[in-house]
Amino acid sequence: EVHLVESGGGLVQPGGSLRLSCAASEFIFRSYSMNWVRQAPGKGLEWISYISSTSNTIKYADSVEGRFTISRDNAKNSLYLQMNSLRGEDTAVYYCARVRGDYILGSYYYYMDVWGKGTTVTVSS
Amino acid sequence: DIQLTQSPSLLSASVGDRVTITCRASPDIRNYLGWYQQKPGKAPKLLIYAASTLQSGVPSRFSGSGSGTEFTLIISSLQPEDFATYYCQRLNSFPFTFGPGTKVHVK
Repeated sequence: EVHLVESGGGLVQPGGSLRLSCAASEFIFRSYSMNWVRQAPGKGLEWISYISSTSNTIKYADSVEGRFTISRDNAKNSLYLQMNSLRGEDTAVYYCARVRGDYILGSYYYYMDVWGKGTTVTVSS
Repeated sequence: DIQLTQSPSLLSASVGDRVTITCRASPDIRNYLGWYQQKPGKAPKLLIYAASTLQSGVPSRFSGSGSGTEFTLIISSLQPEDFATYYCQRLNSFPFTFGPGTKVHVK
């Protein structure tokens, strides 16, 4: 069964750093783009970052641009999120999600078809 | 940036009801829209992509329609396991914004 498992969450002080990992299994990780999505307590989903299969394309939400860095190691089937200058509003459950694409009637559509269970990041003094 | 709104934000329903959730995008996103279901404490689950394509394994009581700026998720006959929060998401370009969500709860 296709599997994504996040790790690395925890309690960190404002201004601190944390590195999240996402381990992939039972699929060809190097063939897929990946995302990070987060959810603050009691709030909705927020897309925060994307990385293509070869790391050629990387995108961030404005809320994390310049503070967070997404990366991947295809040899290790792993996705990462380096989070620096953390703020209280970064407190959330962080999910990694696989991006899949399909051609339908000549157009290419992305969607996030596999999600991990999430890892919790709490930014507090 | 493209904005997504959902209505209603809260929906009271009973088992067997037909449920309709609307997602509006501004501006036009053609049909680059996905729908996800999330239950408390769980990861989101993909239901529909490309506005109307049912993800493999998702029950056929779920359907999606729409294009451009207005989209609809319909649950034809609500089942006990369908009480959850539903999110739409634009996927035409970055950022891959989510809508604010619609919580379907027991009437």
